[in-house]
Amino acid sequence: AQRVTQPEKLLSVFKGAPVELKCNYSYSGSPELFWYVQYSRQRLQLLLRHISRESIKGFTADLNKGETSFHLKKPFAQEEDSAMYYCALGDSASKIIFGSGTRLSIRP
Amino acid sequence: GAVVSQHPSWVICKSGTSVKIECRSLDFQATTMFWYRQFPKQSLMLMATSNEGSKATYEQGVEKDKFLINHASLTLSTLTVTSAHPEDSSFYICSARASTGFNQPQHFGDGTRLSIL
Repeated sequence: AQRVTQPEKLLSVFKGAPVELKCNYSYSGSPELFWYVQYSRQRLQLLLRHISRESIKGFTADLNKGETSFHLKKPFAQEEDSAMYYCALGDSASKIIFGSGTRLSIRP
Repeated sequence: GAVVSQHPSWVICKSGTSVKIECRSLDFQATTMFWYRQFPKQSLMLMATSNEGSKATYEQGVEKDKFLINHASLTLSTLTVTSAHPEDSSFYICSARASTGFNQPQHFGDGTRLSIL
C-alpha cells in the first residue's frame, strides 16, 4: 500500500541550527516525491520535488530508495522557516498522497 | 502565475442543507482538479480526482452521492456537499494541475472551512 510517514508532529530548533524533517514512504513502483509547505494563514505550496534536484529557500531533499526516505534538510534554520511541512508521494495515477505533516518551529 | 481560487472561504449552514464550493484556476487551464479534506491537526486526505468533461474518480470510502463533483470547464470544478450534517464539518481544499501529464505540479486553493450546525 502507498503510504507516507512523517514521524515527527513537531520539530523545534534554534535559529541557525540545522534542520532535518524526516519522511519515509512505501510504494511498489517508481515514486515521485514532493515537499509542500504551508506558512501561517497561507495556502499549501510546493517547496521542492525530487526530480528537480534543486534547492529552494536553502532546503534540499535527496531520495534514498534503499531506505525509502526523502528527508528535508537545511543547514541553518531561519525564523521565517517556521511552518507546516508535508511530505507527499505521487503515484502512477498522478494522485498525490500526503504525510501527516510536521510543524517546524524556529526559536530566536 | 498558476493561481487557484476557492469560494467561499468559510461557510456556516444548518444541518440538511446542500453546500457548493467552487474551485477556479485563474490563469491557466486545469484538465485535472483534486479535492481534499483536512480535519483539524491532520493531513490532507484525497477525496476525488476530477478530469474536465468526465466523471470524477472517488477514493475508497468517499460517498459519491454525498460529495458531488462537477468539472464542466477547464477552469472550474465544483464540490457539492449534499444534505450536509455536522460530521461533514471540515476544511476542504482543491488543487489544480495544468495537464494530465505528471510533470505539472498541483497548485492549491486557500481552502473552504465548512461548519454545519
